[in-house]
Amino acid sequence: QLQLQESGPGLVTPSETLSLTCSVSGDSISSDNYYWGWIRQSPGKGLEWIGGVHYSGITNYNPSLRSRVTISVDTSKNQFSLQLNSVTATDAAVYYCARLTFFKVRITVVALLEKWGQGTLVTVSS
Amino acid sequence: SYELTQPLSVSVALGQTARITCGGNNIGGRKVHWYQQKPGQAPMLVIYRDSNRPSGIPERFSGSNSGNTATLTISRAQDGDEADYYCQVWDTTVIFGGGTKLTVL
Repeated sequence: QLQLQESGPGLVTPSETLSLTCSVSGDSISSDNYYWGWIRQSPGKGLEWIGGVHYSGITNYNPSLRSRVTISVDTSKNQFSLQLNSVTATDAAVYYCARLTFFKVRITVVALLEKWGQGTLVTVSS
Repeated sequence: SYELTQPLSVSVALGQTARITCGGNNIGGRKVHWYQQKPGQAPMLVIYRDSNRPSGIPERFSGSNSGNTATLTISRAQDGDEADYYCQVWDTTVIFGGGTKLTVL
């Protein structure tokens, strides 16, 4: 059964880089139909797509975060990672990793987040 | 960029039918997915591709999508359905609605 688990520091200093890893078990990360994504949720707020990566290395980023985000994949470890640069207090959130199923039905793209990790809280403070 | 609009809150009496809407320009031409998020938990997919239920989701959950509005319908609402609900589409990236808090009275 597919499981995703986030890991990484729960506290990040302002202006530094937030780094998280998602470990995938129960399925290979090297599958054509999936992207592996990161989503965050600030306290009391809604869901925000950060971005995702295909095992081939193709990425998709939220335009509003693109300049500060790098998402990469390590197929040998069945893991993918998030780096968010120059963090501020507004980056404090619960960060989720998830599997994004991605395919086309005729001309319509279908992209849905079928399985999520439990989430990890990241605080930004000096 | 494409935007999805959801009501902040919806209330429903126990055992009645709740309808949560998701508005977007010609959203009927896209595939809409719905997620349920209970306090302290990760979101969970409850409807995909407008009207399909993943395995394990009760038949009480249904969805529709036409014109400028997609709708998540929860029949015979239960206390356990109290949660935040998010709609989601693809528009060159993943787009979420702002979320709707469902209260069961």
